[in-house]
Amino acid sequence: NAGVTQTPKFQVLKTGQSMTLQCAQDMNHNSMYWYRQDPGMGLRLIYYSASEGTTDKGEVPNGYNVSRLNKREFSLRLESAAPSQTSVYFCASSADPWTSGGQLETQYFGPGTRLLVL
Amino acid sequence: GQQLNQSPQSMFIQEGEDVSMNCTSSSIFNTWLWYKQEPGEGPVLLIALYKAGELTSNGRLTAQFGITRKDSFLNISASIPSDVGIYFCAGLYNFNKFYFGSGTKLNVKP
Repeated sequence: NAGVTQTPKFQVLKTGQSMTLQCAQDMNHNSMYWYRQDPGMGLRLIYYSASEGTTDKGEVPNGYNVSRLNKREFSLRLESAAPSQTSVYFCASSADPWTSGGQLETQYFGPGTRLLVL
Repeated sequence: GQQLNQSPQSMFIQEGEDVSMNCTSSSIFNTWLWYKQEPGEGPVLLIALYKAGELTSNGRLTAQFGITRKDSFLNISASIPSDVGIYFCAGLYNFNKFYFGSGTKLNVKP
């Protein structure tokens, strides 16, 4: 049981290049999330997916696209990378935000992808 | 987006001391969360708070959900070196969107 895995761990891009960040979870979770974390700031939600085939914008979606092709995988794509997208990207998953008992399901985070755009 | 103001930004304390940090918002949140992040890793949930006024403990950690639903605090008692890390508050808005504070970096001197 690997939890949440992310690839790659590090990436350097030139401005204008494209790339896809991969995320997979093996916990059979419905909900998955993409965040970015910048120095001195908390995590900001880019996109989330409440279930397979559905996605919704978070706080900072501009410049990104996502794809939830199946229950396990949720990818984040940068079509034309910009220096402002230099950040650490975290993927997370949870069973659902809420269980039937009204308690919040824990979000499990991956180890992060460190992206530098030159 | 929703703004969470977390303070202090950083703390340098002696092992054994108690620590207090807080988070405020201009918006009402349904749920307050506290996470810890260690270098090179993703955040790990420490405590979740669901009701205004709720006080919840997890070992040496105690957190409270403010009466106004716009603030929360986290206390760590008798700090130890492994408490070092960055602590984030987060609010759950509209039942499915998480907003994070900017973090409190905790340093503990042995």
